[in-house]
Amino acid sequence: DAMVIQNPRYQVTQFGKPVTLSCSQTLNHNVMYWYQQKSSQAPKLLFHYYDKDFNNEADTPDNFQSRRPNTSFCFLDIRSPGLGDAAMYLCATRARGGGQETQYFGPGTRLLVL
Amino acid sequence: QKEVEQDPGPLSVPEGAIVSLNCTYSNSAFQYFMWYRQYSRKGPELLMYTYSSGNKEDGRFTAQVDKSSKYISLFIRDSQPSDSATYLCATLIQGAQKLVFGQGTRLTINP
Repeated sequence: DAMVIQNPRYQVTQFGKPVTLSCSQTLNHNVMYWYQQKSSQAPKLLFHYYDKDFNNEADTPDNFQSRRPNTSFCFLDIRSPGLGDAAMYLCATRARGGGQETQYFGPGTRLLVL
Repeated sequence: QKEVEQDPGPLSVPEGAIVSLNCTYSNSAFQYFMWYRQYSRKGPELLMYTYSSGNKEDGRFTAQVDKSSKYISLFIRDSQPSDSATYLCATLIQGAQKLVFGQGTRLTINP
């Protein structure tokens, strides 16, 4: 059974048209992450939530926002997508403590900006 | 200097060969070490997880951490075409929230 679910798997949007990507998890993990990954590059952390506490990376553009209405769901909002925002967007979760510090990734949403 | 250095490859080997993938890191505070496998157009999948130094084996895969030299390795025995993927090493400081990734090595196993 899928543990980290991302919808949609593929998203096409127009230049400047807002888009929302969603992530849900069945693991009840308290930390959720959003990453951007471009071709042949490692995932780049955009922000993460530790419970309801939001943590933005210093170099994440203002164009990217996030919401976490409850433990299970997290959303990535791109307010005005540019051509350079075309990428794979990965959601990940982690349970703090207990000696297990691993992150579990979802399948990703591939965003295409026309 | 990047905190985690990984040769991006590409690396191409024949089926059945032993594959060695490596990363070096600079921060001695890293204590957790992971290897992720990522197939094309998929999310990374956790393959191996190691705490501190030592070896960990899981089937055909062995992860090795040498904290004295700040070197981490993943060995794949009897490599299969299905092992063809990008392999990402990642590290974490205890108590920190952020994984630090290597660049990823693209591996191809030729039948």
